[in-house]
Amino acid sequence: EAGVAQSPRYKIIEKRQSVAFWCNPISGHATLYWYQQILGQGPKLLIQFQNNGVVDDSQLPKDRFSAERLKGVDSTLKIQPAKLEDSAVYLCASSRTGNEKLFFGSGTQLSVL
Amino acid sequence: QKEVEQNSGPLSVPEGAIASLNCTYSDRGSQSFFWYRQYSGKSPELIMSIYSNGDKEDGRFTAQLNKASQYVSLLIRDSQPSDSATYLCAVYFSGSARQLTFGSGTQLTVLP
Repeated sequence: EAGVAQSPRYKIIEKRQSVAFWCNPISGHATLYWYQQILGQGPKLLIQFQNNGVVDDSQLPKDRFSAERLKGVDSTLKIQPAKLEDSAVYLCASSRTGNEKLFFGSGTQLSVL
Repeated sequence: QKEVEQNSGPLSVPEGAIASLNCTYSDRGSQSFFWYRQYSGKSPELIMSIYSNGDKEDGRFTAQLNKASQYVSLLIRDSQPSDSATYLCAVYFSGSARQLTFGSGTQLTVLP
């Protein structure tokens, strides 16, 4: 069984630029999550999808972050414009339903200069 | 505010010793609890899940849950240097949006 795929693995941008991350969950997993993990902290949920609908985006900074999961499969997370404090690892995870263990992708390490 | 708190680290134990990691959570209605291990530069990987009060053992790992005290712990017996990592406690909080909330993690170092 293929795992959660994420790209790119690393991204370096300057502040005020835009960036996008892509995630393809495990086949058949209905729930997809985007987490932000700042160095030394635990992952913080940004947005949770159930199929192609948003379940929770209460911690997503909507003035600059957006995410979509068209067709209920892969997902894209975008930041525009980026700030220095957005430097973090962005983790995508999926689960079969919304109440099971999560499987994580390898993450995208973002550096905003 | 639904929170997951972990004992502050870093924690160092000698090889062969028992490492004890602790976690408390704020939502009394929570039903599902997980321990993830995260090596430096890697993604979290699930090592234990527990849903009922009591102990759950898997090899050298034992998860303990006490819902009345809102407390979950992880014991690692016969600790090995390869166990050196950050351990994340995660809780599914109750409510209409069942989000998995993580603690800040405890960094464990097992000294040879």
